[in-house]
Order: sequence, then structure tokens, then C-alpha cells
Amino acid sequence: GENVEQHPSTLSVQEGDSAVIKCTYSDSASNYFPWYKQELGKRPQLIIDIRSNVGEKKDQRIAVTLNKTAKHFSLHITETQPEDSAVYFCAASNNAGNMLTFGGGTRLMVKP
Amino acid sequence: ETGVTQTPRHLVMGMTNKKSLKCEQHLGHNAMYWYKQSAKKPLELMFVYNFKEQTENNSVPSRFSPECPNSSHLFLHLHTLQPEDSALYLCASSHGTDTQYFGPGTRLTVL
Repeated sequence: GENVEQHPSTLSVQEGDSAVIKCTYSDSASNYFPWYKQELGKRPQLIIDIRSNVGEKKDQRIAVTLNKTAKHFSLHITETQPEDSAVYFCAASNNAGNMLTFGGGTRLMVKP
Repeated sequence: ETGVTQTPRHLVMGMTNKKSLKCEQHLGHNAMYWYKQSAKKPLELMFVYNFKEQTENNSVPSRFSPECPNSSHLFLHLHTLQPEDSALYLCASSHGTDTQYFGPGTRLTVL
């Protein structure tokens, strides 16, 4: 089955700096890669996703890049703000089913 | 925020109790999921239902029993649980293999 590794497990940045979170996956058939943000005591919410037919996707301060050859994808947050502080999860799945395999999560702390 | 609802939000039960978690989605989706979220562990997929039919059972112990009477409702029946089953149980729904939307979760404590 799929295995998703996520690094780092914790990340502390100064407000205004950029943050990068990386994930690797094992199943070359995976073709859908969402990123979820979970604030303390709240539900995970999708912030951006990418499918394997593109290498990069951007939405305002958030971008995701995908390297299918190396089987890794990354989340980039620019101009970080204190409200970006949360746990971020990457995930991978293939079209054979709805099974999302999640990474272990990254706790991002943005210091004002 | 109200697209996927879960009740109860908190549950404390003894190991001999029987309880049920409920999930309801108001998004017109045809797939529903149960996940377990434990401290310091990745979100673990437990069950997947597509059009009310269970299509995945991710090696979950039989003390967890799912039920999906229709595409909008999903239950997780619990019996003879262990303390290590204490976790946040999250429900999610999607339209096919599209984006999964999560409910707020039920915080379960097994004494």
C-alpha cells in the first residue's frame, strides 16, 4: 500500500518569512495530492490540491509543487502570518478508490 | 462549516459500554468515510462507503462496526473498546474521488 512521509514534524518561522513542508510517497500510481490545514480543536480543511498532470499550482500565498519522478511534493507558504499557525497534513491517493493516505503532519508556528 | 456534522462531539465510555457515533452530510455527496486521529500519529482511514456500499475496511478491529443506511448518514457502532481506542474520530464525505470534506469530529475517551 501507499506510504506517505512528511517533514519536518515541527516548523517555526518568523512572521513574513516563507515556510516549506515536504512529503514523499511510495506508490507511483498515486495521482492526487491534497494538503489539509487543521487548527487547534478544529476539523482538517483542504487548502490546496494538485493532480499528477501538473507540476505546480498556486493560490495566493500558497503553492504546491509535484515531482512525479522523485515521488515528492511540497507545500510553500509565503509571507506567513500568525493565523497560518496550525498543523498541516499532506496526503496521496490514486483514482482506483477514495483512499487517502496521510502524512504524519507538520506543526507550523508563525511568531509575530 | 455545517456541511458535515457529527454527534456527539465528546464521548466518555467504559470498556463494556455500547455507543454509536453519528455523521450526517448535507453536500449531496455519494461517498463517506471514517478516520481515526490519535495524538502523534497520521490520520488513519478506517472505512469507506460509496453509494451506501462499504468499499474499504482498513483492517479495523470488529469492535468498530460501521453502518451507512443512505448516502447522507454514516454511523460507527462501538462495543467493548480498549483505552487505546481513545482518539478523535472524524467523518468525511466526497463526491466520488473529489475533495473530502471533514466533520468536526467526536473526541472519544475510553476508560
